[in-house]
Amino acid sequence: GENVEQHPSTLSVQEGDSAVIKCTYSDSASNYFPWYKQELGKRPQLIIDIRSNVGEKKDQRIAVTLNKTAKHFSLHITETQPEDSAVYFCAASRRNYGQNFVFGPGTRLSVLP
Amino acid sequence: GAGVSQSPRYKVAKRGQDVALRCDPISGHVSLFWYQQALGQGPEFLTYFQNEAQLDKSGLPSDRFFAERPEGSVSTLKIQRTQQEDSAVYLCASSPDITGELFFGEGSRLTVL
Repeated sequence: GENVEQHPSTLSVQEGDSAVIKCTYSDSASNYFPWYKQELGKRPQLIIDIRSNVGEKKDQRIAVTLNKTAKHFSLHITETQPEDSAVYFCAASRRNYGQNFVFGPGTRLSVLP
Repeated sequence: GAGVSQSPRYKVAKRGQDVALRCDPISGHVSLFWYQQALGQGPEFLTYFQNEAQLDKSGLPSDRFFAERPEGSVSTLKIQRTQQEDSAVYLCASSPDITGELFFGEGSRLTVL
């Protein structure tokens, strides 16, 4: 089955700096890679996703890159703000086959003012 | 409703008691997932429904865990003879089809004493 690893487990950056979180997956058939943000005591919320037919996707300060050959994908947050502080989870899934999502263990991001 | 609704939000049970956790998905969503999230960890897959059919229950940790979605909308996760290791947040998520993103509920936090 699919296995998703995520690094680093914790990340502290100064406000305004960039943050990068990396994930690797094992199932070459996975084709959908979402990123979720979870604030303390709240539900996970989708912030960006990418499908296997593209290599990069950007939405304002957030971008995701995908390397299918190496089976890894990364989340990039630029110009970080204190409200970006949260736990971020990556996931992999074989969508369009109705497969479940396998989540990484999470990265706790702290943006220091 | 506007989003995925879960109840109860908090449940304290004595070891050995049975509990039932309810999930109201977004109206019309075909897929429904249950995840278990231990403190400081990523969501771990429990089971998946497509309409009323339970297509994957490989993540259920023991036969004390049972889930149903009899009419293809509301789902109930039942845990019999609860143990301390069952303490976690149980997240429900729904998706409009087999290709779309997951929308999570706020979760039900179970504490077994």
